[in-house]
Amino acid sequence: ETGVTQTPRHLVMGMTNKKSLKCEQHLGHNAMYWYKQSAKKPLELMFVYNFKEQTENNSVPSRFSPECPNSSHLFLHLHTLQPEDSALYLCASSQDGTSGGVGETQYFGPGTRLLVL
Amino acid sequence: DAKTTQPTSMDCAEGRAANLPCNHSTISGNEYVYWYRQIHSQGPQYIIHGLKNNETNEMASLIITEDRKSSTLILPHATLRDTAVYYCIVRPRGAAGNKLTFGGGTRVLVKP
Repeated sequence: ETGVTQTPRHLVMGMTNKKSLKCEQHLGHNAMYWYKQSAKKPLELMFVYNFKEQTENNSVPSRFSPECPNSSHLFLHLHTLQPEDSALYLCASSQDGTSGGVGETQYFGPGTRLLVL
Repeated sequence: DAKTTQPTSMDCAEGRAANLPCNHSTISGNEYVYWYRQIHSQGPQYIIHGLKNNETNEMASLIITEDRKSSTLILPHATLRDTAVYYCIVRPRGAAGNKLTFGGGTRVLVKP
């Protein structure tokens, strides 16, 4: 238990559906992250939020839309996905993303396994 | 553009120490060495990190060579639950370090 929770843990959706992934951290952190892990590929960073402001978008297609209403919650809104978007989506948080040192250690949630049909 | 090199896989015996090597020959002075592990289909778990000195916590020890070009993660008494993929990551301080770059890692199998 890392203090980062994700819901749902599993999701199956059609290409025309709209769904959202939710991440919540109970660590008092100010930075939150979305990563994608496709089968047999390394984790890839998607988005970074620091103090609710997006500071990194790693060339992610617009069918993925992040939202960070406060420092404890992060959403990933999904629409018109493709089968190749099927992957494990991981959320992480850190105390902050700018200061250096131990405050930047990222703690990951358990992930949402997404299957797009 | 991972900056580290790790063996693809290794086996170790339950109850014995597991020594996981990592080469990071291009590491710069402001970059940390981080270790995470990922048990099948779960989120990565933070293990330990260091800058110059050797570090120890309840999970593992991290030995960094004097020239900082390589390091070794030591699991002192491996258990079956330590079976996982272990990632060695080099990351700079500050905002540039937001982007954790995961390579292929070392797949560790602990055998009874």
